[in-house]
Amino acid sequence: GAGVSQSPSNKVTEKGKDVELRCDPISGHTALYWYRQSLGQGLEFLIYFQGNSAPDKSGLPSDRFSAERTGGSVSTLTIQRTQQEDSAVYLCASSSPPRTEAFFGQGTRLTVV
Amino acid sequence: KQEVTQIPAALSVPEGENLVLNCSFTDSAIYNLQWFRQDPGKGLTSLLLIQSSQREQTSGRLNASLDKSSGRSTLYIAASQPGDSATYLCAERPGTGANSKLTFGKGITLSVRP
Repeated sequence: GAGVSQSPSNKVTEKGKDVELRCDPISGHTALYWYRQSLGQGLEFLIYFQGNSAPDKSGLPSDRFSAERTGGSVSTLTIQRTQQEDSAVYLCASSSPPRTEAFFGQGTRLTVV
Repeated sequence: KQEVTQIPAALSVPEGENLVLNCSFTDSAIYNLQWFRQDPGKGLTSLLLIQSSQREQTSGRLNASLDKSSGRSTLYIAASQPGDSATYLCAERPGTGANSKLTFGKGITLSVRP
């Protein structure tokens, strides 16, 4: 596609429910990243996929968070048993070596009520 | 652990002024550094990418420089306009190579007054 696409753009969920956030990277990009941006805060790294390598999950804040990337393309970030502190904008980006310029989607704004 | 610092957190200038936004990083062994713009409620837009072998990159009124020895990058905006008002973030990729994540600064919120 022309750019990184994320869906939904907004999601309101009740505390304790599970949510799935989707990211479609730029076609041909081998690397895919998830970041989180809380109100007034910087970008917090969550997880990083690169080709067929094992993902770097070092930023996932708890075991309620997981992500997968199917067929080296689309990625889904799943948050189980959502908590109010999970409310944030979840941003996805993709890039490709060697230049590795990262391009971001518009984000999914998650609100847990 | 690499840290990226952007100071000040906010900046207000009159229209037409030339300005410099600073970005500091602790580990000089970087792979590349990227500058982004973020408008309120939006995602990040890539402005400029500087590879470790480069000293600067230019796009229109924007010029980004990189000094690895001092751990600094600057984004120069010429003849600022109200439309330049946004948050500007820098992010570095460590020298471990292309297969590594970006570390971001907290950003500088720029306001250009008409």
